[in-house]
Amino acid sequence: NAGVTQTPKFRILKIGQSMTLQCTQDMNHNYMYWYRQDPGMGLKLIYYSVGAGITDKGEVPNGYNVSRSTTEDFPLRLELAAPSQTSVYFCASSYSFRYEQYFGPGTRLTVT
Amino acid sequence: KNEVEQSPQNLTAQEGEFITINCSYSVGISALHWLQQHPGGGIVSLFMLSSGKKKHGRLIATINIQEKHSSLHITASHPRDSAVYICAVLEETSGSRLTFGEGTQLTVNP
Repeated sequence: NAGVTQTPKFRILKIGQSMTLQCTQDMNHNYMYWYRQDPGMGLKLIYYSVGAGITDKGEVPNGYNVSRSTTEDFPLRLELAAPSQTSVYFCASSYSFRYEQYFGPGTRLTVT
Repeated sequence: KNEVEQSPQNLTAQEGEFITINCSYSVGISALHWLQQHPGGGIVSLFMLSSGKKKHGRLIATINIQEKHSSLHITASHPRDSAVYICAVLEETSGSRLTFGEGTQLTVNP
């Protein structure tokens, strides 16, 4: 099993550009999450999904969109990149809320 | 004030020392997670607990629900234990998302 995979690992965007961060898991988990981690700060939940076709906002959803068309994939879309979105983004999945979460390796995004 | 507070923020130890990292929270929870973030950035779940104590190798996690406090202990610390240790709680009211502490940076010197 590959676990949770994320692409790309690194990306530099110009202000106003768009991009999609990809996340795939092969553990047949229903629950998937997107987090961002800013330097010296705790992880913050952007969006989460409890199954295909179901998504919900987390703590910091502004500027992002998600979709969940399959159990395996949970892409995160940035429509108009802003410097405040410079961060490390982690995707995670779990069997349910009360089970441990498995994290992807992260995507380091810089917006200049 | 953060809902999840960790102490200390930074900890330096000598190889072989017994390490304790503390986590206090201010909300009702249904579960607490301890995570390890490696120097390269990867995050691994160490424990999830809702009561009592769990042990895995040299790592021990305890939780006191009444006192809203959890500790992560590392026995016989080793330089490879150097990492950021993160506490996260699953709030009873939110039911769906973890609230994370800011992490404790542990450095174990040989």
